[in-house]
This record gives sequence, C-alpha cells and structure tokens, in this order.
Amino acid sequence: NAGVTQTPKFQVLKTGQSMTLQCAQDMNHEYMSWYRQDPGMGLRLIHYSVGAGITDQGEVPNGYNVSRSTTEDFPLRLLSAAPSQTSVYFCASTRLAGWGETQYFGPGTRLLVL
Amino acid sequence: AQSVTQPDIHITVSEGASLELRCNYSYGATPYLFWYVQSPGQGLQLLLKYFSGDTLVQGIKGFEAEFKRSQSSFNLRKPSVHWSDAAEYFCAVGASSGNTGKLIFGQGTTLQVKP
Repeated sequence: NAGVTQTPKFQVLKTGQSMTLQCAQDMNHEYMSWYRQDPGMGLRLIHYSVGAGITDQGEVPNGYNVSRSTTEDFPLRLLSAAPSQTSVYFCASTRLAGWGETQYFGPGTRLLVL
Repeated sequence: AQSVTQPDIHITVSEGASLELRCNYSYGATPYLFWYVQSPGQGLQLLLKYFSGDTLVQGIKGFEAEFKRSQSSFNLRKPSVHWSDAAEYFCAVGASSGNTGKLIFGQGTTLQVKP
C-alpha cells in the first residue's frame, strides 16, 4: 500500500511549455484534490474530484486542467506554464467526500517555471 | 467567506518547553477544524481534527487542541516539545459548500526547536 504517490518530485519548465503532474492512490479513495503551496500563503485548492468522471474547480483553477478517468489517477495539466505557477504541488485523497474522513497527502512536486 | 489566520509565522522554543500555536478562523457555523504538520521536504500529516463534542481534542505525537467558539480559535498545544517537532504547522477549516472535503489553510507557522 503506497498511499498517495506523485511524480515527478521536481521539474523545471520554460514559460509556455506544457506538462502533466501525476498523482495516484491505491487506497480506492473516491475524493482527490490538488493544492499548491506558496510561501506565506499556506495551501490553496486548485481542482478536486468526488469520483471518476467528476471534477470541479477550487480556489485557484486558472491555468490548470484536470481529468479523472479512473478512481486511482488524478493528473494535473499545465497547458502553458507561467512563472506564476512556480510552486510546490500536493495531491491529496480521501475515502469519501466529507469531513468525517482524513485526507492523505502525497510528498509533493516542486515546479520551477523560468 | 471562510478564512484561517495563523498570527505567528515563526516560533522558536527550547526543547522540553511547552508550545502553543495560534489559529483563528472565520466561519458562520460550527466549523470543521484541522491541524496538519509538514516536515521538511515531506507532505502533510494530520495531527488532529475537531468536528463536534468535546472541545479539547487529542491528537498524535502528544499534541492537543482546544476549540473556543467565543474566540473563534483552535490553538494547538504540546506540554513538552521534542527536537523532532521542528516543522511547519498548518491550521485548516473545512469549506462549507457541499461538504466536499475542501480545506482552507492558514499561512502556516514554522516551529524551530532549540537544544
């Protein structure tokens, strides 16, 4: 049981490049989400999904796309990277949507956009 | 709108001393409150959570937190800090819409422990 895994751990992009941050969980969790962490701002929700085929926007969705074709995977896509997207990205999952459940976080992906 | 404020960006305590990290929230109803810890280079780990009932909540690693509705606070405490407690601590509140599990985080407090 690996929990929540994220790849890559670190990535450098040039402005305008695209990439996909991978997130997978092996706990059969229905709810998955992406956060970005910036100094002095805590974590902010980008997108979330309450189940396969269902996604919705969080607090800071602009510049990011997501899809949820399987329960296990929840990739985050940057279509045209900008320096403002330099951040640490965390994926999280919960067995079910709702506050009775604990969210499990992945180890993070550190992204630098030049 | 919901918000979480952690007034202290950085705190330094001596090993063995007591610790209190402050958290204030803004929310219209009974909040769902959480404390997470992040060790350097790691993801977030849940320390404890409050949903209802007893306002003093016990968590892992010897931490506890007290919910005070009158003060809109959920401060984290530990009687005796260990060097391994050095980390960043985040307070969070569950967003109200649809009970979807969305979290709103505070800015974080970095804890340094002096030997």
